[in-house]
Amino acid sequence: DQQVKQNSPSLSVQEGRISILNCDYTNSMFDYFLWYKKYPAEGPTFLISISSIKDKNEDGRFTVFLNKSAKHLSLHIVPSQPGDSAVYFCAASGGADGLTFGKGTHLIIQP
Amino acid sequence: EAQVTQNPRYLITVTGKKLTVTCSQNMNHEYMSWYRQDPGLGLRQIYYSMNVEVTDKGDVPEGYKVSRKEKRNFPLILESPSPNQTSLYFCASSFSRGRTEAFFGQGTRLTVV
Repeated sequence: DQQVKQNSPSLSVQEGRISILNCDYTNSMFDYFLWYKKYPAEGPTFLISISSIKDKNEDGRFTVFLNKSAKHLSLHIVPSQPGDSAVYFCAASGGADGLTFGKGTHLIIQP
Repeated sequence: EAQVTQNPRYLITVTGKKLTVTCSQNMNHEYMSWYRQDPGLGLRQIYYSMNVEVTDKGDVPEGYKVSRKEKRNFPLILESPSPNQTSLYFCASSFSRGRTEAFFGQGTRLTVV
């Protein structure tokens, strides 16, 4: 039973355009959400987070949107750059529970 | 520099030969955990520790052991490795278990033949 779902295993976007990565969750107890970025041969690194009391959080080129009624969040990257090519993991937690990760989306930025 | 350090980065071993992957953090975090990453399965938690001498099973604990005798160290032990434990392993640490950013090590790629 997958509680955090990233339904797109891969996504290809042209450089300069917007990249939109999606994540759905099923556990209504989740109230804190994070995105991690992972390059090959490296560990995941934290990118951006959002609490359920907000519906948007922005950090430079990265914006995360949360739609609680739909149990859906998305990560927008504008504009997309070659260095953004990586695997992106969505993660969620609630209460004292640890992080539950999605399976990841491989973002490829094409020149 | 704040970091989580894992060793070794790469390891090839034979079935049944006990091995330990070390993990150390320098951020004074109370919470530490181990994950494995497999193609198509994402990151799955193996074990976690809320503090010294407090450990608990994650989602896929079978075949693994851990210990937490010091706050900074959280080794992963495979008493009798099998080929299905061939994977990419990550150690992570954070201030608490939930609602917080976790810091990850660089990973250990283990191959069991």
